[in-house]
Amino acid sequence: EAGVAQSPRYKIIEKRQSVAFWCNPISGHATLYWYQQILGQGPKLLIQFQNNGVVDDSQLPKDRFSAERLKGVDSTLKIQPAKLEDSAVYLCASSSSKNIQYFGAGTRLSVL
Amino acid sequence: QKEVEQDPGPLSVPEGAIVSLNCTYSNSAFQYFMWYRQYSRKGPELLMYTYSSGNKEDGRFTAQVDKSSKYISLFIRDSQPSDSATYLCANAEWGKLQFGAGTQVVVTP
Repeated sequence: EAGVAQSPRYKIIEKRQSVAFWCNPISGHATLYWYQQILGQGPKLLIQFQNNGVVDDSQLPKDRFSAERLKGVDSTLKIQPAKLEDSAVYLCASSSSKNIQYFGAGTRLSVL
Repeated sequence: QKEVEQDPGPLSVPEGAIVSLNCTYSNSAFQYFMWYRQYSRKGPELLMYTYSSGNKEDGRFTAQVDKSSKYISLFIRDSQPSDSATYLCANAEWGKLQFGAGTQVVVTP
């Protein structure tokens, strides 16, 4: 069974630029999550999708972050404009049953 | 107060020793508890999953939950250099995970 795929693996941008991350969940997983993991911290949930609907985006900084999950499969997370404090690893996870989440390798973002 | 507190370490042990990792949590509503392992530059990987109180064993790994004291533990027996990683505890309810900051473990040959 293929795991959660994320791309790119690394991205370096300057502040105020925009960036997008892509996630392909495990086939058949209805629930998709985006997390932000700052160095030395645990992952923090940004947004949760159930199929193509948003379940929880209470922690998403909506003035600069946006996410979509078209057709209930792939998802993109966008940051526009990026700030220095957005430097982090962005993790995508998917789940078919409550509470068991499988994570991708993440996208490491550096904002200069 | 953070929902899940975890000592960040690093925790350095010699090969073959027992690794003991702990977390405390504040929300008594949590029923599901997990331990994830995260290697450098990789995503978290689910190690152990327990429901409510009690012990769960899987090979060299044992997870313990004490709901009365809101304390969860992970023990790694006969530790190997390949166990060197960051270990994240997490509580779950209704599909939402709350992670601790992670404890870095280094097992030296």
